[in-house]
Amino acid sequence: EIVLTQSPGTLSLSPGERATLSCRASQSVSSSYLAWYQQKPGQAPRLLIYGASIRATGVPDRFSGSGSGTDYSLTISRLEPEDFAVYYCQQYGFSPYTFGQGTKVEIK
Amino acid sequence: QVQLQESGPGLVKPSQTLSLTCTVSGGSISSASYYWSWIRQPAGKGLEWIGRIYTSGGTNYNPSLKSRVAISVDTSKNQFSLKLSSVTAADTAVYYCARSGMVVATNWLDPWGQGTLVTVSS
Repeated sequence: EIVLTQSPGTLSLSPGERATLSCRASQSVSSSYLAWYQQKPGQAPRLLIYGASIRATGVPDRFSGSGSGTDYSLTISRLEPEDFAVYYCQQYGFSPYTFGQGTKVEIK
Repeated sequence: QVQLQESGPGLVKPSQTLSLTCTVSGGSISSASYYWSWIRQPAGKGLEWIGRIYTSGGTNYNPSLKSRVAISVDTSKNQFSLKLSSVTAADTAVYYCARSGMVVATNWLDPWGQGTLVTVSS
């Protein structure tokens, strides 16, 4: 199975700052079949990005995804108070469809 | 818009079978365009994909759970279900259901149900 490793584990930033989250795959993710999800406490994950760089419906344009092969990133250009959450990457090119362990973006 | 809702017992005894149902509203589960998945998340930990079903009955399971998992669909009730046998405390988690596309290029998970906590304890 493809193992996804996210870094850092925790990112401590202030509102207005830029956040860059990394997701590295143990082998190439076929055709950039990579998604990013946001999860807030007590809530289900919410799809943010699919196809490595395509924003899901209703996702603000401060969220952007990039990458290919084994290295992907999620960037939040200017953190809003509602963006402090845990973010997961997921590959959906090969079964079993695996997730990274998550990056927590916390208020500094 | 499509919404998913999990339901089932919140407490299951060790060695028994966990059974959950996901009810789909706002759309037909019989749509030929989607797979229907189960995912779980132990408290404070990450997400684990359990498996999925297509409305024809075709399934894919995570090999780590395959020997204990069965996912089925009831199109008459617009529901799909999860059964996980021989549970232990390690199966304690929030269980989510979600939809994904039929084609691999659309296999991301969206939308998700709100999740239901299942505790395995005697």
